[in-house]
Amino acid sequence: KNEVEQSPQNLTAQEGEFITINCSYSVGISALHWLQQHPGGGIVSLFMLSSGKKKHGRLIATINIQEKHSSLHITASHPRDSAVYICAVRVYSGAGSYQLTFGKGTKLSVIP
Amino acid sequence: DSGVTQTPKHLITATGQRVTLRCSPRSGDLSVYWYQQSLDQGLQFLIQYYNGEERAKGNILERFSAQQFPDLHSELNLSSLELGDSALYFCASHPRTSGYNEQFFGPGTRLTVL
Repeated sequence: KNEVEQSPQNLTAQEGEFITINCSYSVGISALHWLQQHPGGGIVSLFMLSSGKKKHGRLIATINIQEKHSSLHITASHPRDSAVYICAVRVYSGAGSYQLTFGKGTKLSVIP
Repeated sequence: DSGVTQTPKHLITATGQRVTLRCSPRSGDLSVYWYQQSLDQGLQFLIQYYNGEERAKGNILERFSAQQFPDLHSELNLSSLELGDSALYFCASHPRTSGYNEQFFGPGTRLTVL
């Protein structure tokens, strides 16, 4: 079983729809990242959070540490939101360092 | 543009060969992370360097090695290449070895082993 599970694996939405991507993890973490990877391959960090909720434009990320669960929401989705969204958890790896463990990603396609 | 650069962008080579991937972190960032993204395994952490020293190791094969130089750029060396090493290799940087800073990813090097 993967330490980080994302759902759904694939998601197709109509432009304007509200989208939710879920991430569950099974290990103790210090923080959780949401990343976006566009078809060209580049990775952009969207959020890093260790509690509560963060908002950036139409994107909202929440985390529930007790339930080991995080969600990424996209309001008023747009075709340019089409990308792979990856959840990654930051785990302490010793000697004052941390490493990221990644989910498999959710491929989002937003249709005009 | 994240400020992290990687060269080359694409690399095609044959099995058994050795290649070197290069990463320059954002100005002032001391930590460099290397990741491998393959179709079947997804993104995996390989190794981290901080200010020239190895800090953490992930799923890095013995055929792979890395180093960080005094000017803070890093190189990932892959030897005795196998077909399964074909993947996207990313590096990322952030200012400190620990703490709650996000990582900034480079554009990646796409390695194809034929």
